Amino acid sequence: KQEVTQIPAALSVPEGENLVLNCSFTDSAIYNLQWFRQDPGKGLTSLLLIQSSQREQTSGRLNASLDKSSGRSTLYIAASQPGDSATYLCAVTLGYNKLIFGAGTRLAVHP
Amino acid sequence: SAVISQKPSRDICQRGTSLTIQCQVDSQVTMMFWYRQQPGQSLTLIATANQGSEATYESGFVIDKFPISRPNLTFSTLTVSNMSPEDSSIYLCSAERGGRGGYTFGSGTRLTVV
Repeated sequence: KQEVTQIPAALSVPEGENLVLNCSFTDSAIYNLQWFRQDPGKGLTSLLLIQSSQREQTSGRLNASLDKSSGRSTLYIAASQPGDSATYLCAVTLGYNKLIFGAGTRLAVHP
Repeated sequence: SAVISQKPSRDICQRGTSLTIQCQVDSQVTMMFWYRQQPGQSLTLIATANQGSEATYESGFVIDKFPISRPNLTFSTLTVSNMSPEDSSIYLCSAERGGRGGYTFGSGTRLTVV
């Protein structure tokens, strides 16, 4: 059974720091991995999608890597800003379009 | 990529009543998905909805409690029936993003049952 774990569960940092959020999964037979952002009480915003054949994807200050063989992904946030405060979720796609989510990392960036 | 409009954004309902949540996609999609996010928890898939066939429910979710409609390739509804306080959650719909891969989500419905 696929399980997705995110570490840390919560993180509080001062503005300007570079951050690394971790995601691990138990079964390497995934189609892709997607990172999302969720603001309190809201839906999900897709940040980055990494196909199983890819190693990393970048968008602005965000960079996500994928090591499928070891079952790990990291989301790197450069020069964090208060507007980055949110919960970050990673999810892996299995067969039959099934997404398995991690519990998320709750990030607070303070001025 | 697909954009999903979901409504209502939030509601407060009396126990024993039902609420229907709607999701409209701006392009045709084969499959739509409904998730529940209980307070402080991550997302759990309720069911997968295909146009023209009955929805496929995940373990622990039944059609009598969460009936789903999928009348066409751009629209779906989820009804939360005979609600109890334990149904208080955020409910989200999702669809594939098409050629880009991955999934897009609606803005969520925050349901409180009193």
